[in-house]
Amino acid sequence: SQQGEEDPQALSIQEGENATMNCSYKTSINNLQWYRQNSGRGLVHLILIRSNEREKHSGRLRVTLDTSKKSSSLLITASRAADTASYFCATEGSWGKLQFGAGTQVVVTP
Amino acid sequence: NAGVTQTPKFRVLKTGQSMTLLCAQDMNHEYMYWYRQDPGMGLRLIHYSVGEGTTAKGEVPDGYNVSRLKKQNFLLGLESAAPSQTSVYFCASSYSLPGQMYAGELFFGEGSRLTVL
Repeated sequence: SQQGEEDPQALSIQEGENATMNCSYKTSINNLQWYRQNSGRGLVHLILIRSNEREKHSGRLRVTLDTSKKSSSLLITASRAADTASYFCATEGSWGKLQFGAGTQVVVTP
Repeated sequence: NAGVTQTPKFRVLKTGQSMTLLCAQDMNHEYMYWYRQDPGMGLRLIHYSVGEGTTAKGEVPDGYNVSRLKKQNFLLGLESAAPSQTSVYFCASSYSLPGQMYAGELFFGEGSRLTVL
């Protein structure tokens, strides 16, 4: 079973717009990570937020974490065509290792 | 610095054949993982290793075996391939376990696409 569930499953926006995707999880965590996967490629780590943090920024990325609601959000500001990819949240699951959700497919059109 | 390298990138097998996927990392990471990715299901952990000579089962270990004879290499074997094992396989490594408070990121290879006919 998946620990993290992303929402929406797919997102289509135009360049310059912001993209927001959410992740909900079921059990308490030490940290939550977001990854990006370009088509046909491996996953690339974007950002890690620890359970004692509420918000974190990295360039055009902003991640929030609400442990009371067991949810996280990833915001990509001023999106570019190169941001077209699938985005995954990951938390430690019942196996004690990183578990990934099914991902959000983001398409940014010029 | 190559990071995590997987071979082969593509392979087609017939049901019942065997094969081995090789993963190599040059970052001196203790921890290595094999995941499979199927449409709509995200990544699922097959097996992992917390150090040279050690392996452990993940979420979906049946039908697979692994070995970690050298710290930099993690092999995934299919003894008798089945169509249900058609998938994209990803190897990853990390310097700490993800569940720890001060865990770090996973570094992924580019994937190995396996088709079992």
